Amino acid sequence: DIQMTQSPSTLSASVGDRVTITCRASQSISSWLAWYQQKPGKAPKLLIYKSSNLESGVPSRFSGSESGTEFTLTISSLQPDDFATYYCQQYETYLWTFGQGTKVEIK
Amino acid sequence: QVQLQESGPGLLKPSETLSLTCAVSGYPISSGYYWGWIRQPPGKGLEWIASIYHNGHTYYSPSLKSRVTMSVDTSRNQFSLKLSSVTAADTAVYYCVRERERYLPYWGQGTLVTVSS
Repeated sequence: DIQMTQSPSTLSASVGDRVTITCRASQSISSWLAWYQQKPGKAPKLLIYKSSNLESGVPSRFSGSESGTEFTLTISSLQPDDFATYYCQQYETYLWTFGQGTKVEIK
Repeated sequence: QVQLQESGPGLLKPSETLSLTCAVSGYPISSGYYWGWIRQPPGKGLEWIASIYHNGHTYYSPSLKSRVTMSVDTSRNQFSLKLSSVTAADTAVYYCVRERERYLPYWGQGTLVTVSS
């Protein structure tokens, strides 16, 4: 299995902050990584696919990048609607695995 | 617009078999893509369970493979999950999903399954 290690598990931030979440793969996954946002009681919502491609309708304050097997989700200026839990997902194969999640809380 | 809707019993006893169905609208399953199941225990993260193609080809999570069966019914435009010998550890919200180039833009709303005696 490809393991995804996501950090931090919790992040406290204020509106307007720049926020960075990291996901590290246990082996090369090329750029086959997606990011999702989940709010309580709701299904996850796709934000970014193929490491850095923004899904249609997602605000441009969200961005993704990669360096080797380390992937980063950045929110350039945190908005009230962004307080949620974020997950990475590798899809190098059809044996999908997710990171443990990062909860972004209000500071 | 692809829409997915999970259905199935919300409460099971230990050792029973969990059976869930995902009804698909807005896209014929027979046209392609993999369709899958993902679960989320209360307060925890996401776990992929299994995926199936319209021709019946499946991928199963190695950790659940011995207990999982997926099937597809293209005439009803739905697919199903069976998980045998459930325990309390199988209590979770179960989501059905559809992939696009292996990532997941389409999710059902989820259905909570509780395993309790």
